[in-house]
Amino acid sequence: TQLLEQSPQFLSIQEGENLTVYCNSSSVFSSLQWYRQEPGEGPVLLVTVVTGGEVKKLKRLTFQFGDARKDSSLHITAAQPGDTGLYLCAGERTGNQFYFGTGTSLTVIP
Amino acid sequence: DAGVIQSPRHEVTEMGQEVTLRCKPISGHNSLFWYRQTMMRGLELLIYFNNNVPIDDSGMPEDRFSAKMPNASFSTLKIQPSEPRDSAVYFCASFSGARYSPLHFGNGTRLTVT
Repeated sequence: TQLLEQSPQFLSIQEGENLTVYCNSSSVFSSLQWYRQEPGEGPVLLVTVVTGGEVKKLKRLTFQFGDARKDSSLHITAAQPGDTGLYLCAGERTGNQFYFGTGTSLTVIP
Repeated sequence: DAGVIQSPRHEVTEMGQEVTLRCKPISGHNSLFWYRQTMMRGLELLIYFNNNVPIDDSGMPEDRFSAKMPNASFSTLKIQPSEPRDSAVYFCASFSGARYSPLHFGNGTRLTVT
């Protein structure tokens, strides 16, 4: 059983469309991180959110941490082909425990 | 900084053979994690070390898997004997220990057991 469930699992959209990826759990985390992974490489950090309700923006990407620190969302505005990749959320608990979500594979079609 | 270095990048072996995966973490990082990634199960934590000491190995599938960290700059993950269901991409990640800092992943070892 995965501690963090992501939805959707797969997403294929046209360039210029908007999308939202969800990361849900019944557990509380001290922080939540979002990573992007490209083929043949390891995941790379995009952002860390720490405070319940926190919103962070990274160019066209908007990340939100739920008020109860159990869930998060990633919204991409005007998706570009360069956004294609596997998006992973990871919740951190005390003691350096990192729990990864099931992943969302995004394909942006030119 | 060269980042986390894993070797080999690809490994193809026959069932029953011993496989050793290697990892060099980022210098100064005091925690090291081994993950396994498959389409079916996603990214699974196998074991993690803090200051070279194994802290949590509850994710190690069975006794065929073992991991060591003899010093701060080197770790190995060994599978003996290997089985086809061990086929996956194995990642090593290092962590500085600073609050809210990220995991730094290597580029993984793609293992195929035939």
